[in-house]
Amino acid sequence: IAGITQAPTSQILAAGRRMTLRCTQDMRHNAMYWYRQDLGLGLRLIHYSNTAGTTGKGEVPDGYSVSRANTDDFPLTLASAVPSQTSVYFCASSDSPHGASGANVLTFGAGSRLTVL
Amino acid sequence: GQNIDQPTEMTATEGAIVQINCTYQTSGFNGLFWYQQHAGEAPTFLSYNVLDGLEEKGRFSSFLSRSKGYSYLLLKELQMKDSASYLCAFMDSNYQLIWGAGTKLIIKP
Repeated sequence: IAGITQAPTSQILAAGRRMTLRCTQDMRHNAMYWYRQDLGLGLRLIHYSNTAGTTGKGEVPDGYSVSRANTDDFPLTLASAVPSQTSVYFCASSDSPHGASGANVLTFGAGSRLTVL
Repeated sequence: GQNIDQPTEMTATEGAIVQINCTYQTSGFNGLFWYQQHAGEAPTFLSYNVLDGLEEKGRFSSFLSRSKGYSYLLLKELQMKDSASYLCAFMDSNYQLIWGAGTKLIIKP
């Protein structure tokens, strides 16, 4: 089934631990994104990548890092998790690059629920 | 500054019509999106408006007034499966998406 696969679905993590959220897409989309979704707030962009080998910072990048070694994979790493990073994390992709004009429709993964204690 | 606002929660009856409003303020505007998100699932694209007027897509329609900074999503012949959150987002002058917090729509039989 074409789309985006995220792993893990859910994780409880002790503060200070390192965590990598995985994201793989099979649509050959150029751009990929990581968002966080918190109750009462809109989706907030953490990092994005328009092509393999390039990444950019979004609205809330601090405490997170990403890499884009190939078209399909876009992992998000929390080097030292803190409780404020408790959230639901969504990976997304689009055919058009981030910042492009027009109807840049995002396809989202099912999300990874992360709890940092 | 930029901001976007939509009601937190709405309730409607199965078979009825409901209108979900979204207002925004921005110095530059390049389109408005609506997404549907069922509880615990991924957001999925519903509509995109860049010009004023109504775009109809089956039971769902989306309206935009750029001069008023206003959009609405109209859902007709409501079904129980339409119970979900509806996310509004506009694209600013730098083509960045600014998302609303979402409107949770509860459908009652």
